[in-house]
Amino acid sequence: GAGVSQSPSNKVTEKGKDVELRCDPISGHTALYWYRQRLGQGLEFLIYFQGNSAPDKSGLPSDRFSAERTGESVSTLTIQRTQQEDSAVYLCASRYGPDYEQYFGPGTRLTVT
Amino acid sequence: QKEVEQNSGPLSVPEGAIASLNCTYSDRGSQSFFWYRQYSGKSPELIMSIYSNGDKEDGRFTAQLNKASQYVSLLIRDSQPSDSATYLCAVSSSGGYNKLIFGAGTRLAVHP
Repeated sequence: GAGVSQSPSNKVTEKGKDVELRCDPISGHTALYWYRQRLGQGLEFLIYFQGNSAPDKSGLPSDRFSAERTGESVSTLTIQRTQQEDSAVYLCASRYGPDYEQYFGPGTRLTVT
Repeated sequence: QKEVEQNSGPLSVPEGAIASLNCTYSDRGSQSFFWYRQYSGKSPELIMSIYSNGDKEDGRFTAQLNKASQYVSLLIRDSQPSDSATYLCAVSSSGGYNKLIFGAGTRLAVHP
């Protein structure tokens, strides 16, 4: 079946601009996660959505970052007033439920110039 | 703070040898454990999941879990250069929070 998809695959933006990244989870997966991975670094948890529950935003690095998800569908991660330190690969993952496997999308490589 | 610890490596093994990757975790209530492989420039790919104490084998991969010792490992038999990647250990957070806690990963280099 279809995996997690993300768009765009690459995004180059100027410092100060806003960007929106999209994630389409695997159908039926109730949990959706966003991570950031800087070059040569580990995964940095950003936010997670579980069904219609309030999202866990504990990993968002600043108020420039926000994310939305409607029900169990598509999610968008928005970064306002981008900074050069926002340059990274943004990974989305989805999961059917607790204790189930989590699957990653291919990521969006964001470059802020 | 719930943690997952891995040696960063690099772990260098010759082709054909067994590579042993280790992971310890702090959350005693964790019930599910996963190994991901991440090639440079790619997203993490799930390779193994394990839920019960003991060994679980899948092809050249064997995952081992010891909940009493809070330890999980991955063995790769007959290592190939194509196995060269970073291996991430992930542990489910207890308490129904539905989160995976990832280790920082171990870089494996298999040399011909």
